[in-house]
Amino acid sequence: NAGVTQTPKFQVLKTGQSMTLQCAQDMNHEYMSWYRQDPGMGLRLIHYSVGAGITDQGEVPNGYNVSRSTTEDFPLRLLSAAPSQTSVYFCASSYKSGQRSYEQYFGPGTRLTVT
Amino acid sequence: ELKVEQNPLFLSMQEGKNYTIYCNYSTTSDRLYWYRQDPGKSLESLFVLLSNGAVKQEGRLMASLDTKARLSTLHITAAVHDLSATYFCAVDTRPKSVFNKFYFGSGTKLNVKP
Repeated sequence: NAGVTQTPKFQVLKTGQSMTLQCAQDMNHEYMSWYRQDPGMGLRLIHYSVGAGITDQGEVPNGYNVSRSTTEDFPLRLLSAAPSQTSVYFCASSYKSGQRSYEQYFGPGTRLTVT
Repeated sequence: ELKVEQNPLFLSMQEGKNYTIYCNYSTTSDRLYWYRQDPGKSLESLFVLLSNGAVKQEGRLMASLDTKARLSTLHITAAVHDLSATYFCAVDTRPKSVFNKFYFGSGTKLNVKP
């Protein structure tokens, strides 16, 4: 199993540009989520999904869109990039039981710089 | 909103010494997770603590959970340089709407000096 994969690893955008960060997992996990990590801070939840077709907002959802058409993929879209979105982005997946997920498996991260 | 506080944020210690990292959280939760992150790398799961009084050990690391005190500890015994990394705790909430959410502490950057 490849686990959780993310592309690209690095990206530089100009203010106002849009782009999509890709995330895929091959563990048949139902629960997937996106986090951002800023210096000196822990991870903050952007959006998450509990299954294909079901998404919800996390702590910091503004400026980002998600959709989940398949169990495997969970892309994160930046609609109009801003310098405040410069960060490292991590995708994670986990299995769920009832309404709760368990430990999360993280992808390698995407380092995004917005100039 | 659930808040998770770790202390210390930075820890420099000598090899062979013992130390403890603390993780406090603000609201009721019965699950706590510890992760390790090496510079420029992703997060690696260390421990999953699923009930009050849970204790888990792996090598020189031992984690415990006290849900009544809303406190988890990560104890390092006889530190070695390879343990140098940033350690995060994370807490998840009981689901009120769709699903439970995870909240992370700011991390403790550990530097073990030879």
